[in-house]
Amino acid sequence: NAGVTQTPKFRVLKTGQSMTLLCAQDMNHEYMYWYRQDPGMGLRLIHYSVGEGTTAKGEVPDGYNVSRLKKQNFLLGLESAAPSQTSVYFCASSYAGANYGYTFGSGTRLTVV
Amino acid sequence: GENVEQHPSTLSVQEGDSAVIKCTYSDSASNYFPWYKQELGKRPQLIIDIRSNVGEKKDQRIAVTLNKTAKHFSLHITETQPEDSAVYFCAASRGGNQFYFGTGTSLTVIP
Repeated sequence: NAGVTQTPKFRVLKTGQSMTLLCAQDMNHEYMYWYRQDPGMGLRLIHYSVGEGTTAKGEVPDGYNVSRLKKQNFLLGLESAAPSQTSVYFCASSYAGANYGYTFGSGTRLTVV
Repeated sequence: GENVEQHPSTLSVQEGDSAVIKCTYSDSASNYFPWYKQELGKRPQLIIDIRSNVGEKKDQRIAVTLNKTAKHFSLHITETQPEDSAVYFCAASRGGNQFYFGTGTSLTVIP
């Protein structure tokens, strides 16, 4: 039972490049989330999904897109990376939304130069 | 929407002393309050939570208290140990789709 797995763990991008972060969970959770973590700003919600085929915007969605084609996977895309997107990205999943605690992935450290 | 404020942003204590981290929230309908611990370079992990029908919850050396009238909740760590050093996040939700997180408290336990 792996829980929540994120790939890659580290990535360096040049400004304007694109990439996709993958989050996979094996707990049959309906809810999945993408957060970014920046110093002094805590965890800020980018996008989330309440089930297969659904997505919704969070607090800071600009510059990101997501897809949930399969229940176990939640993809975060950056179409044209900017230095402001340098951050640590965490995926999380939950059995019942914000009624129970999240299970977080191990994070992806992204640097955009 | 909900606004969660967390204080202090940094906290240093001597080993064996107690540590208290406080969070306030704005939405009176919030009813679930988890706390997460994030060790350096690791993922946040749930350490304790409390629901609005309970005023206090304990788990060994950690406890959480909730004051619904004042809209604040606190994390208490007693007999602190070096392995308690981490960033702690509070969160609040009204049972919807998402949590609202505080900005985190960096706790350092000095041996």
